[in-house]
Amino acid sequence: AQSVTQLDSQVPVFEEAPVELRCNYSSSVSVYLFWYVQYPNQGLQLLLKYLSGSTLVKGINGFEAEFNKSQTSFHLRKPSVHISDTAEYFCAVSEKGSGYSTLTFGKGTMLLVSP
Amino acid sequence: DTEVTQTPKHLVMGMTNKKSLKCEQHMGHRAMYWYKQKAKKPPELMFVYSYEKLSINESVPSRFSPECPNSSLLNLHLHALQPEDSALYLCASSQEGARNTEAFFGQGTRLTVV
Repeated sequence: AQSVTQLDSQVPVFEEAPVELRCNYSSSVSVYLFWYVQYPNQGLQLLLKYLSGSTLVKGINGFEAEFNKSQTSFHLRKPSVHISDTAEYFCAVSEKGSGYSTLTFGKGTMLLVSP
Repeated sequence: DTEVTQTPKHLVMGMTNKKSLKCEQHMGHRAMYWYKQKAKKPPELMFVYSYEKLSINESVPSRFSPECPNSSLLNLHLHALQPEDSALYLCASSQEGARNTEAFFGQGTRLTVV
């Protein structure tokens, strides 16, 4: 079984400031790691994913994340946020090699960008 | 085409009604999923279909009945729901087996049970 912990339920930040959303996971098996974004009343959109290889992954909309195996973390970063980045962000894992993409999600972090 | 299309976008139903949610994808994915998301909560897995066969049922009450009529379509039949079943229902699809990496989500159906 896997579990995902998102340490902050809400992160307020000013426009053009940098932001980091934290994610830690626990699993007895190898996992894939994901960040999804959900805008109000919408579905989930994949921001980025870590499958293997380079531990720094770049995603859409200027986001990037770094996989740290020793700390079992996968923190999401953006150097300069926009008002339009205001949304709920979910970190998720799926079991590598399971054959399915059954996702275990963290509780989510609401990113609030103000002018 | 990387879209998963869900209809309807919004649905209001009474506790004695029967309704269906529909999901369609044309990415050639052979795994399809239903998730339920309550307000201010993360999505929770309900069902997984693989090659049109039900592979995972996360102990979902029988008032939710999934169906996969072909490789592109996934339905969720609803009957005798309770107000606490009001939620956003998300459909997703992915490759199956060794090629599986990520799931693609639809925009969801916002269900309100009155």
